[in-house]
Amino acid sequence: DIQMTQSPSSLSASVGDRVTITCRASQSIANFLNWYQQKPGKVPKVLIYAASSLRSGVPSRFSGSGSGTDFTLTISSLQPEDFATYYCQQSYSTPYTFGQGTKLEIK
Amino acid sequence: QLQLQESGPGLVKPSETLSLTCTVSGGSISSTSYYWGWIRQPPGKGLEWIGSIYYSGTTYHNPSLKSRVTISVDTSKNQFSLKLNSVTAADTAVYYCARHGSGSRDWFDPWGQGTLVSVSS
Repeated sequence: DIQMTQSPSSLSASVGDRVTITCRASQSIANFLNWYQQKPGKVPKVLIYAASSLRSGVPSRFSGSGSGTDFTLTISSLQPEDFATYYCQQSYSTPYTFGQGTKLEIK
Repeated sequence: QLQLQESGPGLVKPSETLSLTCTVSGGSISSTSYYWGWIRQPPGKGLEWIGSIYYSGTTYHNPSLKSRVTISVDTSKNQFSLKLNSVTAADTAVYYCARHGSGSRDWFDPWGQGTLVSVSS
């Protein structure tokens, strides 16, 4: 199985901050990497697919980059509605695997 | 707009079989472009892919669940189903169904609202 490791596991930040979350795969996954946002009690929602493609309707303050084993999700200017848990997920091979999540909290 | 909805018992006894159905509306489960998957999330924990099925019946599942998982599809009802046998408390989770593609278009979207299944006597 491909292991996905996110860092940090939690993060405190303020509205307006620029935030970066990292996801590392245990082997190369090319650009088969997706990012999801999950708010408490809600369904995960895809933000970024194929490492850097912005899902339609997702604000442009979200961006993704990386390939191979190292990936990042960046939020350029945090908004109050961005405080949530973020997961990366590899779609390179089955079993599909997710990172453990990064909880983004208000400072 | 495609929508998915999980249904099934919210409480299952240990050693019994968990059975859930996902009903797809607003689109056809027989689309050649998509797979249909199950993902679960234990309370307060992360996401785990359980398995997926293509409309033809081809399935893929997570080896971590070994042979306990059966996923099936009923194209006439636009539904797919999950059976997980010999459940324990560790199988308590919110179970989601979701659509995903393949290759460069492989991500989970949309998702059902999720259903909490508790394993308890």
